[in-house]
Amino acid sequence: GQNIDQPTEMTATEGAIVQINCTYQTSGFNGLFWYQQHAGEAPTFLSYNVLDGLEEKGRFSSFLSRSKGYSYLLLKELQMKDSASYLCAVRGPNAGKSTFGDGTTLTVKP
Amino acid sequence: DTAVSQTPKYLVTQMGNDKSIKCEQNLGHDTMYWYKQDSKKFLKIMFSYNNKELIINETVPNRFSPKSPDKAHLNLHINSLELGDSAVYFCASSQADRGGYTFGSGTRLTVV
Repeated sequence: GQNIDQPTEMTATEGAIVQINCTYQTSGFNGLFWYQQHAGEAPTFLSYNVLDGLEEKGRFSSFLSRSKGYSYLLLKELQMKDSASYLCAVRGPNAGKSTFGDGTTLTVKP
Repeated sequence: DTAVSQTPKYLVTQMGNDKSIKCEQNLGHDTMYWYKQDSKKFLKIMFSYNNKELIINETVPNRFSPKSPDKAHLNLHINSLELGDSAVYFCASSQADRGGYTFGSGTRLTVV
């Protein structure tokens, strides 16, 4: 099975940088995803890592180390609209199924 | 033009009733999913279909029955609703072993 850990809550200041960590133990690995979910809305896809290293997409970057079972999501130049829950998800070997962490609620303050 | 659409958005019903939620995707994806998000915001997979074939059936009461008439549609029927079924149900689709999920807007089910 999959076991995914991420912090429950984080707070950061507008304009700053924040790093949200995710660690996982898995019986099979087929990629790691980050999703953003605003309150009352559906999750939206942010990033995908299947090989070790850093993937950059605008203000958001995601890093993966498969040997350490570790990923992080880096958000730069924080904006108030970045206040949301950030979900780490690991895809196992079973035909596309992703297991989600409990999510990290990020609050951006002025 | 919605990529993954599910209906209804809100559903309030009494215990013991039977209800259905519908989901359709126009992305050409071959895999569709039902996830349940409880009050603690934990997203848990329920079912997955690949090209109309059931491939994932997690430990879900058999009161829940998915149905996929074609690869663009995945419906969820729930019999004898219980208070504990109250949650947000998300439909999602993906191209089986690559790319992330595209989620529908969710169905907030409240059982009273």
